[in-house]
Amino acid sequence: AQSVSQHNHHVILSEAASLELGCNYSYGGTVNLFWYVQYPGQHLQLLLKYFSGDPLVKGIKGFEAEFIKSKFSFNLRKPSVQWSDTAEYFCAVTPSGGYQKVTFGTGTKLQVIP
Amino acid sequence: GAGVSQSPSNKVTEKGKDVELRCDPISGHTALYWYRQSLGQGLEFLIYFQGNSAPDKSGLPSDRFSAERTGGSVSTLTIQRTQQEDSAVYLCASSPQSGNGAFFGQGTRLTVV
Repeated sequence: AQSVSQHNHHVILSEAASLELGCNYSYGGTVNLFWYVQYPGQHLQLLLKYFSGDPLVKGIKGFEAEFIKSKFSFNLRKPSVQWSDTAEYFCAVTPSGGYQKVTFGTGTKLQVIP
Repeated sequence: GAGVSQSPSNKVTEKGKDVELRCDPISGHTALYWYRQSLGQGLEFLIYFQGNSAPDKSGLPSDRFSAERTGGSVSTLTIQRTQQEDSAVYLCASSPQSGNGAFFGQGTRLTVV
């Protein structure tokens, strides 16, 4: 079965700082990868996803993530964070194709200080 | 509706009572998930339904928890003899068969007093 690890549980950054949140997965085959975001008081929503092709994926609000197959990683990045990026971020993985469960990491709380 | 709908949005119950939480997934989505999010905790997987297959119940924390999905659509999560540690936000999500990620509802905030 697949699993996901997010090593940073709580990250505090100042506005304009660069962000990188780690995500590593464990699975022996091909996977689809996702990042979700949960803003305070709101429901979880999809930030970006990778299925195949270019391993550098761009999402909404200036976020991007890079799939590095050799490292089983899918780290989330943003060059310059804003106070409005304060949220909880979840990485998720599902085996490619067909009827497969999506497995989530435990989440990383990002706090951006103005 | 266009999204995943959960009801009620808030539920306060007395310790020892049973509660039922409802989820209406996006029409046509074959997969349905229940998660629990406690204060300061991440997403805790509870149960996964996929089409007509037997559900994956590996995340249910105790036999007080059960879930059904009728007709491949609406799902009900039942918690019997609620305890204070059951207090959490219960999230439902659905996804299409292609494994195209999951779409979440707003959740039900359960408070056991």
